[in-house]
Amino acid sequence: AQSVAQPEDQVNVAEGNPLTVKCTYSVSGNPYLFWYVQYPNRGLQFLLKYITGDNLVKGSYGFEAEFNKSQTSFHLKKPSALVSDSALYFCAVKEYSGAGSYQLTFGKGTKLSVIP
Amino acid sequence: GAVVSQHPSRVICKSGTSVKIECRSLDFQATTMFWYRQFPKQSLMLMATSNEGSKATYEQGVEKDKFLINHASLTLSTLTVTSAHPEDSSFYICSAPQGLTSYNEQFFGPGTRLTVL
Repeated sequence: AQSVAQPEDQVNVAEGNPLTVKCTYSVSGNPYLFWYVQYPNRGLQFLLKYITGDNLVKGSYGFEAEFNKSQTSFHLKKPSALVSDSALYFCAVKEYSGAGSYQLTFGKGTKLSVIP
Repeated sequence: GAVVSQHPSRVICKSGTSVKIECRSLDFQATTMFWYRQFPKQSLMLMATSNEGSKATYEQGVEKDKFLINHASLTLSTLTVTSAHPEDSSFYICSAPQGLTSYNEQFFGPGTRLTVL
């Protein structure tokens, strides 16, 4: 089975500083990787995905992620953090679940706090 | 992006009652929808995959008689928590992929907070 790991439960960063939220993956074939963000008491919002192509993927709200095959990582980054970026971030991998269907498997999540 | 809605957003009920949660894809058709459960400060746990026109597929450990899923149309799936008990209190989230390929992102509903007294 495929899986993703988010080694940090919480990341604190000062406003204006660059931020990184880490994710590593374990897959048996080509990885289909996603990042989602969740604000309190809300559903998940899609940020970006890696399917193939350039290792640096740009997404919503100024976020980007770097796919590194040798390190099996897909870290989420942003050059300058905003207080409004404070939320729960989930890394996910998509795997085939049978009958033509694919399902997402999520990491445990990382709480990002941007300090004013 | 595509929009998925859920109703209700919050429900409080007495122990022993049944609660129905609706999930709708508003601007696209979804032959498959997913139901997740999220405990406080934890990740999303997939409960079941809802398939239009056929039975839902439940994850291991999820009671199918407890959590009834009906995918009535290409835009509507419902989750009914039958005879709810306090331990069923949780945040329930549905999602739907816009397409069935591996690279389609899933769109998530805003979630339903269920509190069973």
